[in-house]
Amino acid sequence: AQTVTQSQPEMSVQEAETVTLSCTYDTSESNYYLFWYKQPPSRQMILVIRQEAYKQQNATENRFSVNFQKAAKSFSLKISDSQLGDTAMYFCAFPNPGGSQGNLIFGKGTKLSVKP
Amino acid sequence: EAGVVQSPRYKIIEKKQPVAFWCNPISGHNTLYWYLQNLGQGPELLIRYENEEAVDDSQLPKDRFSAERLKGVDSTLKIQPAELGDSAVYLCASSRGTGVHETQYFGPGTRLLVL
Repeated sequence: AQTVTQSQPEMSVQEAETVTLSCTYDTSESNYYLFWYKQPPSRQMILVIRQEAYKQQNATENRFSVNFQKAAKSFSLKISDSQLGDTAMYFCAFPNPGGSQGNLIFGKGTKLSVKP
Repeated sequence: EAGVVQSPRYKIIEKKQPVAFWCNPISGHNTLYWYLQNLGQGPELLIRYENEEAVDDSQLPKDRFSAERLKGVDSTLKIQPAELGDSAVYLCASSRGTGVHETQYFGPGTRLLVL
């Protein structure tokens, strides 16, 4: 079974500092994608960044980057120069392969608070 | 480009009453998903549509939940009768197609409270 684990229920960071959110997953697939979604208090889930498993280069989107370690099945999210607007729940997600191809399996989320 | 639209945003009902949620996906998106998000949890899939066809409804409690996607665009999710445990956020998402590479775009969700 495919699983996604986020081991940090809550984290906090000072504005302008850097924070890393952890995610591990389990799969027997060799080709897949991984996603980080952000869900602010307004509850609209927004895509932050995605990584293709067959690409060794880590994905980067402005202040957001990932540390993808395929062998370790680890997919952490680094937020640089944290801003107050980064306060949200962050979910790591993995598409379920096979018959349910495309359905996202989400971790339980990490609640990030950015403090001024 | 307009995003995924859901209504209502909030709904409070008494147990045993029916309730319906509506979703309008992003234009051109063939795949539509309904997810259930319990408090403090990540979303879990209820049903996935490819155009008009429900291709994965294995997690939908069919004794009380039903869904439809007429004409392959808008979708409605219904609960009848609602139970206390149905209190949660119901999220709709859409994507251009189906596959592990597709990005899903989410609506704001409907927060349901069953009293």
